[in-house]
Amino acid sequence: EILMTQSPATLSVSPGERATLSCRASQTVSSNLAWYQQKPGQAPRLLIYGASTRATGIPARFSGSGSGTEFTLTISSLQSEDFAVYYCQQYYNWPPLTFGGGTKVEIK
Amino acid sequence: QVQLVQSGAEVKKPGSSVKVSCRASGGTRITYPIGWVRQAPGQGLEWMGGIMPFFGSANYAQKFQGRVTIAADESRTTVYMELSSLRSDDTAVYYCTRGGVAADAADNWFHPWGQGTLVTVSS
Repeated sequence: EILMTQSPATLSVSPGERATLSCRASQTVSSNLAWYQQKPGQAPRLLIYGASTRATGIPARFSGSGSGTEFTLTISSLQSEDFAVYYCQQYYNWPPLTFGGGTKVEIK
Repeated sequence: QVQLVQSGAEVKKPGSSVKVSCRASGGTRITYPIGWVRQAPGQGLEWMGGIMPFFGSANYAQKFQGRVTIAADESRTTVYMELSSLRSDDTAVYYCTRGGVAADAADNWFHPWGQGTLVTVSS
């Protein structure tokens, strides 16, 4: 099973600032990595797949990078609606498909 | 745009079973993989398994093997997830989502998601 580790657990950021979230895999997942955003009481929403491809309708301020075992989600200028929990997910080697534990982005 | 609609909240006793349904809006046939992901209160996301309805075969996470069954109805318009021998730590929101068990691994991300079904296990 591939373990996904996200850091930090909580990120405090002021609106308009840049946020950088990390995701590490216990073994290579190539570029088979997705990012999701989840707000309280809502289902997760796909942001990024293929490590760097934005899903339909996702603003350009969200970008993904990395390959192998190290990945980054960057939000270039945080908007009020971006405060949420973010999860990474590997789909290179399954079963099982595995998620990271999440990073909560909160208002500083 | 595909929309997935799930059945309503359930309250179950320990030791019983729960069956949650997931259908595509408009009652259209489901011709893509469907996965099930759960989220315990205040916790992260956990993949349980998935199915390609037209092929009928399901894949399960080892953790749930023997306790979970994922299947499609004959019309292939609804997918079901049944979890048996329920325990209190099965209390969670259960989501169906498109993706997860496609033949091409590069497609196994999840989008879109159903609205979620809260299953509460309590005596």
